[in-house]
Amino acid sequence: SAVISQKPSRDICQRGTSLTIQCQVDSQVTMMFWYRQQPGQSLTLIATANQGSEATYESGFVIDKFPISRPNLTFSTLTVSNMSPEDSSIYLCSARGGSNQPQHFGDGTRLSIL
Amino acid sequence: GIQVEQSPPDLILQEGANSTLRCNFSDSVNNLQWFHQNPWGQLINLFYIPSGTKQNGRLSATTVATERYSLLYISSSQTTDSGVYFCAGHNSGSARQLTFGSGTQLTVLP
Repeated sequence: SAVISQKPSRDICQRGTSLTIQCQVDSQVTMMFWYRQQPGQSLTLIATANQGSEATYESGFVIDKFPISRPNLTFSTLTVSNMSPEDSSIYLCSARGGSNQPQHFGDGTRLSIL
Repeated sequence: GIQVEQSPPDLILQEGANSTLRCNFSDSVNNLQWFHQNPWGQLINLFYIPSGTKQNGRLSATTVATERYSLLYISSSQTTDSGVYFCAGHNSGSARQLTFGSGTQLTVLP
């Protein structure tokens, strides 16, 4: 199964700043995703990171706020831009080798905005 | 995408008790997974089970794809089983990402 490493594991940021989260998978994967988990809530998909092209965003999430890169089959970044306290959440990277394979998750990035 | 409903939302058990968690989904699924999120927030893969029955130690899961539900059984529960249990699924449509249920918060008391 794929091992997914995320960094940073946690951060405390000032309002109005931006933070980039990195996600590294130990093997080439077809699909990579970014999820958000707000306090006490379930996981919500932000976007599908597409290798070599623009990410596909879910309703309620926009590229200007959450720009995503995926330069190859093992690496992706998520930037949380112009942060506000409402962005305080756990952000999780996820990957799947193929459509009919299990999906794996990193340990998440715990983000607090003051 | 599909809709995923989990029940019960909360469950409190004494150590040693058994429990059953349920997941209903609105459409047929190609992928159905159960996860345990521990108190430190880590999301642990328990089962990849689009159909059939699997067992791993004290845990087992059954998915009845034709009736669109899955069950997670925890036997002889331990305090380390505490946390949130999520099921998630996706179908063969254009939305191939996992959609999560709202979770079951399990507390096992010593």
